[in-house]
Amino acid sequence: GAGVSQSPSNKVTEKGKDVELRCDPISGHTALYWYRQSLGQGLEFLIYFQGNSAPDKSGLPSDRFSAERTGGSVSTLTIQRTQQEDSAVYLCASSSWPTRGDNEQFFGPGTRLTVL
Amino acid sequence: EDQVTQSPEALRLQEGESSSLNCSYTVSGLRGLFWYRQDPGKGPEFLFTLYSAGEEKEKERLKATLTKKESFLHITAPKPEDSATYLCAVQAPHAGGTSYGKLTFGQGTILTVHP
Repeated sequence: GAGVSQSPSNKVTEKGKDVELRCDPISGHTALYWYRQSLGQGLEFLIYFQGNSAPDKSGLPSDRFSAERTGGSVSTLTIQRTQQEDSAVYLCASSSWPTRGDNEQFFGPGTRLTVL
Repeated sequence: EDQVTQSPEALRLQEGESSSLNCSYTVSGLRGLFWYRQDPGKGPEFLFTLYSAGEEKEKERLKATLTKKESFLHITAPKPEDSATYLCAVQAPHAGGTSYGKLTFGQGTILTVHP
């Protein structure tokens, strides 16, 4: 079956522009997570969706970051007025938690964002 | 605040030379400890989940163990294709006690296995 997909795979943008990153989770997975991976920072949690709701947004670094999920499936992470420090790989993961007892998260390949 | 520390940062082994990677954690109410493998340019690939001290899981040349303070990933007779970054992560309840499932990751151990 298809895994988690993300698009675009690479995005280069100019400082101040807005960007949208897309995630298609594994079909049937109700839980969806966004993480950010920066050099020297490791993987950092951004936001968690259960269905279309986001009960945990605690990792979003500023109000320039927002995300939504529609139809319990596709999610979009939007970064407004991008800054150079936003440059990172943005990873999406999905799981069947808490329907299943475990929380095995399956990751997509990521979107590499470069802000010039 | 949940903390995960992995050591060493990098490990070079000869093919067939067994070793262990360490993951120390500090959390309130561990709900699960996860090991992932990440190859360059790819997303992390799930390996194991451990839930309670004393638990062990194996997959091919890898074995993960868990105590109340740390986890080890033992690699037996590694091959060059085992070269990757190995990530450890913990799941713990939210500040309010509800578990939302977010994972807190360590910085990873970069493993290189030479033929």
